Amino acid sequence: EIVLTQAPASLSLSPGGRATLSCRASQSVSSTYLGWYQQKPGQAPRLLIYGASTRDTGIPDRFSGSGSGTDFTLTISRLEPEDSALYFCQLYVSSPRGFTFGPGTKLHIE
Amino acid sequence: QVQLQESGPGLVKPSQTLSLACTVSGGPLSSDGYYWSWIRQYPGKGLEWIGYLSNTGTAYYNPSLKSRVSILLDPSQSQVSLELMSVTAADTAVYFCARSSLRWFLTWGPGTLVTVSS
Repeated sequence: EIVLTQAPASLSLSPGGRATLSCRASQSVSSTYLGWYQQKPGQAPRLLIYGASTRDTGIPDRFSGSGSGTDFTLTISRLEPEDSALYFCQLYVSSPRGFTFGPGTKLHIE
Repeated sequence: QVQLQESGPGLVKPSQTLSLACTVSGGPLSSDGYYWSWIRQYPGKGLEWIGYLSNTGTAYYNPSLKSRVSILLDPSQSQVSLELMSVTAADTAVYFCARSSLRWFLTWGPGTLVTVSS
């Protein structure tokens, strides 16, 4: 079973800054299968990035994803207070078919 | 624009069956290439995939839950149902339904909290 870990667990930054969120897999995975979600308080998660680096429809270009193998990064530039949220990485496993999520990074912008 | 809404009891007794429905509006259940998923989020915020169903009715379940879970489509009601048997306090969570592609959870319902307690 592949386990995803995320670092840091929480992060507090100022508006206009840059956030770098890490997602690490316990073994090498295809970047095609790695995605990122944003969850604001009281809401469902929202897909931000799929295939490690492709933004979903309507996602601002302030959000970017990168990485390969075991190490993946979500970068949020020009931070805004509305970016305060939980951010999860998610892996699709093709065989046996399934999904796993990282534990999340809580981002606070103030 | 597809919208999803979960519904069902907010409180279930231990050992009973948790039954939830997800009502889909704005699009057919039979859309090619989409899957209908259930995901839960524990009070500590961790997410767990429960399972999903293709538009043709093929189901894939989380192995850790496979013996207790069933996901079904009801096109006549435009609903996707979840049944989880023999629940314990560890099944207390917010339950989300989602329309998915093969690999990603694209559109989510707002979620519904289910507490397992006597």
